[in-house]
Amino acid sequence: AQSVTQLGSHVSVSEGALVLLRCNYSSSVPPYLFWYVQYPNQGLQLLLKYTSAATLVKGINGFEAEFKKSETSFHLTKPSAHMSDAAEYFCAVSDGSQGNLIFGKGTKLSVKP
Amino acid sequence: EPEVTQTPSHQVTQMGQEVILRCVPISNHLYFYWYRQILGQKVEFLVSFYNNEISEKSEIFDDQFSVERPDGSNFTLKIRSTKLEDSAMYFCASSADRGPTDTQYFGPGTRLTVL
Repeated sequence: AQSVTQLGSHVSVSEGALVLLRCNYSSSVPPYLFWYVQYPNQGLQLLLKYTSAATLVKGINGFEAEFKKSETSFHLTKPSAHMSDAAEYFCAVSDGSQGNLIFGKGTKLSVKP
Repeated sequence: EPEVTQTPSHQVTQMGQEVILRCVPISNHLYFYWYRQILGQKVEFLVSFYNNEISEKSEIFDDQFSVERPDGSNFTLKIRSTKLEDSAMYFCASSADRGPTDTQYFGPGTRLTVL
């Protein structure tokens, strides 16, 4: 069965600093992986997804993630944090052919001025 | 940009009462989902729905839960007799297709509080 683990329930960075949010997956089949973001009082919004076409995936708002099979990881990065990046970020894996998503617990990102 | 909407944003109910959570999926989408997140825990899949029937459901989705698409726009989740442990944020999602790579679009959620 597929699962994802997000390391760090809360990450704090300074504005302009590198953002690194960690996600490791467990899957018996090639995984399809997603990062979603949730801003306060809003729904989950897709940032990017890995569908096996390319290991480095670029998403919206300057975020990207790299699929590393050897490390079973799909970490989310952004070179320079902005105050508007403060939100909760969820990593998810698609559960087989049905497409139902299995989520991690989420990482809350705080950005300090 | 089209979006999924949910009402109400917050529902407070007494244990044992029935609640109906409402969702309006994106208009040309065919696949609908409910997820929930208990405070401090993971977002969990409840049920998927297509062509007026349940496609898949999790162990959480027991006989107390039901889903319906009563008209061409709404998608509802009913909990017949709420329990304290049903307190959670409930998210509705929709997608144009249902494959492992298709994007699900989520609503803002309904926070259900059972007293």
